[in-house]
Amino acid sequence: DAGVIQSTRHEVTEMGQEVTLRCKPISGHDYLFWYRQTMMRGLELLIYFNNNVPIDDSGMPEDRFSAKMPNASFSTLKIQPSEPRDSAVYFCASSTNRDSPLHFGNGTRLTVT
Amino acid sequence: GDSVTQMEGPVTLSEEAFLTINCTYTATGYPSLFWYVQYPGEGLQLLLKATKADDKGSNKGFEATYRKETTSFHLEKGSVQVSDSAVYFCALTPNTGGFKTIFGAGTRLFVKA
Repeated sequence: DAGVIQSTRHEVTEMGQEVTLRCKPISGHDYLFWYRQTMMRGLELLIYFNNNVPIDDSGMPEDRFSAKMPNASFSTLKIQPSEPRDSAVYFCASSTNRDSPLHFGNGTRLTVT
Repeated sequence: GDSVTQMEGPVTLSEEAFLTINCTYTATGYPSLFWYVQYPGEGLQLLLKATKADDKGSNKGFEATYRKETTSFHLEKGSVQVSDSAVYFCALTPNTGGFKTIFGAGTRLFVKA
């Protein structure tokens, strides 16, 4: 089992640019989550999917953020336009059901200059 | 709404000392409770879990008991090692409504040789 894969560990972009973060969940996991981690706010749930369908995006901070899951093995989180306050570590996680733990990727550290 | 409160860190201990990290929660019903650990540069990984009242989760010498009467899930280890140095997160997943895992702020543990 390869685990949750976030292939980009560090992403640096300039303010105003579009940035796309990518995630491959564990095969067979029906739930996929995007979290953001900052020192000030800790871990925040941005959005989660069940069977590729977005279920709750109430944590997405602004319309600048969007997420998709075109199939069971791939999801993206896009920020357009990016701002310096978006700088954080973005984690993708997947799971099978609410009694089971979340399996996290190693995260993508985003820096917006 | 649901919430998790855990003791602030950092916690600094000498090797072989006893560890307790307090965690209390607010939730309706019987949520599933988890402890996760995060090492530098990595995602969170499950340490232990408990899904019903009075259950004890255990792993790698760590233990926590689901106490419904005190809404607590304190983490303990009898003898810590330098390799236990990490950030520990208490978390809950509600058993009704959305699959939205709530994390505590995290407690950083330093273990000195």
